[in-house]
Formats: sequence, C-alpha cells, structure tokens
Amino acid sequence: AQSVTQLGSHVSVSEGALVLLRCNYSSSVPPYLFWYVQYPNQGLQLLLKYTTGATLVKGINGFEAEFKKSETSFHLTKPSAHMSDAAEYFCAVSDILTGGGNKLTFGTGTQLKVEL
Amino acid sequence: SQTIHQWPATLVQPVGSPLSLECTVEGTSNPNLYWYRQAAGRGLQLLFYSVGIGQISSEVPQNLSASRPQDRQFILSSKKLLLSDSGFYLCAWSRDRGTEAFFGQGTRLTVV
Repeated sequence: AQSVTQLGSHVSVSEGALVLLRCNYSSSVPPYLFWYVQYPNQGLQLLLKYTTGATLVKGINGFEAEFKKSETSFHLTKPSAHMSDAAEYFCAVSDILTGGGNKLTFGTGTQLKVEL
Repeated sequence: SQTIHQWPATLVQPVGSPLSLECTVEGTSNPNLYWYRQAAGRGLQLLFYSVGIGQISSEVPQNLSASRPQDRQFILSSKKLLLSDSGFYLCAWSRDRGTEAFFGQGTRLTVV
C-alpha cells in the first residue's frame, strides 16, 4: 500500500524567505504524486502534480516540487514566501483502485505560517 | 470547464438524526466520485468511491453509506448519526486512473 510522510506538522517562515515543505512517499510502483493546499474551511486546491517525465514540476502561485526517486521524496518549495501562502499543505500519492478510479493517500498535512 | 458543488457548507445535527450530504459535478461525464473525511490533525481518509451509476465501494466500515443515483451526483447518508461522525466531509471527482482529484468546498458536520 502507498503511504506518505510529511515531516513537520507546523512550519514557520518569514515573508520573503524560502519555503520548504517535506514529503516522503512509499510506493511499490512508479508513483503519481500531488501537492494540495487548503485554506481554512475550504476544500483542497491542486498546487502541482508529478506523473511522468520531467522530475522538476512547476505549479501555481510560484511553487515547485522535485521528484527524487532515489530519496523517495517530493519536497515542495517556493523561493520567496508571501503572507497569502499561509495555509495547510498536503502531499498525496495516487493508488489505483480495484475496478477503476484512484485513491489519493494523503499525508497528515503541514501548516505553514508566514510571519512579517 | 468542470465544477463541483457540495452542500450544505455547515451542518449541526443531533445524535441519532439522519444525514444527507449532496455533491454534483458539472462539465464532465462519467467521473469517478469520492467522499473523504478530514479529522483534525489526521489528514484525509477516503470513505467511499464510485466509478459509475449505482457502483459504490466502501473503504472503511462505518455508520455512513453512499449512493450515486445519477452520473454526476453523489450522496453521503446516515440513518442515525453518532458523535464520532463529526468532521469535515469533502466530495471529489477525477477523470481517469492515477490522475488528480478535484475537491468541493466541503461540509463541516457537527453532531451534538
């Protein structure tokens, strides 16, 4: 079964500083990986995804992530944090379900705080 | 473009009362549909998924059920709510195997 580990349930950065949110996965097959962002009392919004091809993936709002197979990692980064980036971030891996569809297995989330 | 609607946004229900949460998708056909529950500090847990009308699979045993009466409609139900059913419920859809899921805005359910 797939699994995802997000290191650090809370991360705090200064505005303008580098954002680094860590995600490690476990998968028996080539994984499909995703990062989602969630603002308070809202649904999840897709930031970026890795399926195949280029290992450095660019997403919305200036975020990017790099798939490193040797490290089983998919860390999320942004060069310069903005106050509006404060939210909860979830890493997820996709697993094919019996009969079709796909199950996203999520990490427990990282709450990002951006300080002035 | 595709959109997903989920309602109500918030709900407070007494223990033992029934539940019906509805989700509809627009702008696509034959989507895969999902119900997730989010508990504080525990990430998201897949409850049910459906790959077609009338086809429902349950991921975890629980007090809830799901139905898909139409291609783009997914309903989460309970006959008698428990306190432990409180949480944030999210409906989602996806196209094909392995692709990303798109989420609704969620329903905050509080059972009192």
